[in-house]
Amino acid sequence: DSGVTQTPKHLITATGQRVTLRCSPRSGDLSVYWYQQSLDQGLQFLIQYYNGEERAKGNILERFSAQQFPDLHSELNLSSLELGDSALYFCASNPQAGGNYGYTFGSGTRLTVV
Amino acid sequence: GENVEQHPSTLSVQEGDSAVIKCTYSDSASNYFPWYKQELGKGPQLIIDIRSNVGEKKDQRIAVTLNKTAKHFSLHITETQPEDSAVYFCAASGTGANNLFFGTGTRLTVIP
Repeated sequence: DSGVTQTPKHLITATGQRVTLRCSPRSGDLSVYWYQQSLDQGLQFLIQYYNGEERAKGNILERFSAQQFPDLHSELNLSSLELGDSALYFCASNPQAGGNYGYTFGSGTRLTVV
Repeated sequence: GENVEQHPSTLSVQEGDSAVIKCTYSDSASNYFPWYKQELGKGPQLIIDIRSNVGEKKDQRIAVTLNKTAKHFSLHITETQPEDSAVYFCAASGTGANNLFFGTGTRLTVIP
């Protein structure tokens, strides 16, 4: 157990629907990062939050949004889902706002859009 | 921004042999270089990291080397075992950078 908790582990939904993925960072970590991993692909950075505020944006679609709450958990909202959104979505956390502190990853949410 | 390239994309070795995965980076300000192992159906897990004030770091059968002049770093796994089979990602980041920049991954298969 890495200490980063992601729920749900699996999600199957239809095109056009909206889903919410949840992440609880490791205790004491203030930063949360979201990554998308499509089949046999690398890790695509989506967005980062630090202590409730958005810090960096990557290749995140306009149909996707995220937020970090006062208790530091984060949610990634995916709307108007398309077949191509099917992927593993990972959350990672670290103590500070910088990449050079390393990440701890959760076990991911597997999203299947049918 | 930083660009990290990783080679090879796939690697097969016989059990007991060594495996080497290489990465290059573009930003000379990068100073932190971790390696992650991702097993099937799991999240990436940090296995070793190195900072730019060190040229080599070892942890049992794994080692990482860094050449700042050439802007490349490598992962070395000796005496490979079947449980080393996984996808390995290199990454780079620098002071002030908000996030890690990942390579595209290497799928390592250790043949018993």
